[in-house]
Amino acid sequence: DVKVTQSSRYLVKRTGEKVFLECVQDMDHENMFWYRQDPGLGLRLIYFSYDVKMKEKGDIPEGYSVSREKKERFSLILESASTNQTSMYLCASSFFQGRYTFGSGTRLTVV
Amino acid sequence: DAKTTQPPSMDCAEGRAANLPCNHSTISGNEYVYWYRQIHSQGPQYIIHGLKNNETNEMASLIITEDRKSSTLILPHATLRDTAVYYCIVRVAGETSGSRLTFGEGTQLTVNP
Repeated sequence: DVKVTQSSRYLVKRTGEKVFLECVQDMDHENMFWYRQDPGLGLRLIYFSYDVKMKEKGDIPEGYSVSREKKERFSLILESASTNQTSMYLCASSFFQGRYTFGSGTRLTVV
Repeated sequence: DAKTTQPPSMDCAEGRAANLPCNHSTISGNEYVYWYRQIHSQGPQYIIHGLKNNETNEMASLIITEDRKSSTLILPHATLRDTAVYYCIVRVAGETSGSRLTFGEGTQLTVNP
């Protein structure tokens, strides 16, 4: 089975810190995605990438950036963490469009 | 992508079939129906997808009406572990770049003992 691994399950950071969320997939998928999930708002797409060094903004990119230096790794960066970025962050990858594999998620708390 | 409509919640008795409906009346000819589920505090999990024929795998069956305007996901013998939010998503399939999946609110299925 395809595995998508997110580096941390729980993370607590201070306001203003630079935060890196790492995601690694092991099946040579071209496409990778970062979502956040909040109660009542569902899953919202932050950024996605369809190739190494390529990135596209999703629906809520403000306050975030991404990096994809290698095919298997897609990093989400919070340049200066704020309390409104407290959320569950979910990474996914896909080869076949529409058939995604998600990681277990990182629950980030910004204090 | 076509919009989907699902009931916000459903209940099912353990061991019985769970039938989850989805309306997608504006679906286009090249759009597939995908189903995912999300168990509490986990990432969404792919279940099944189809274009116009009924599909079955080890997890579920997908029944798509002839006009393709609605579909039903069937869990034949629901267990407590099937309690989750189920998402119906309509999406063009194919190997084009920039693919993205848009999740709605889904249906909270609760399987009762």
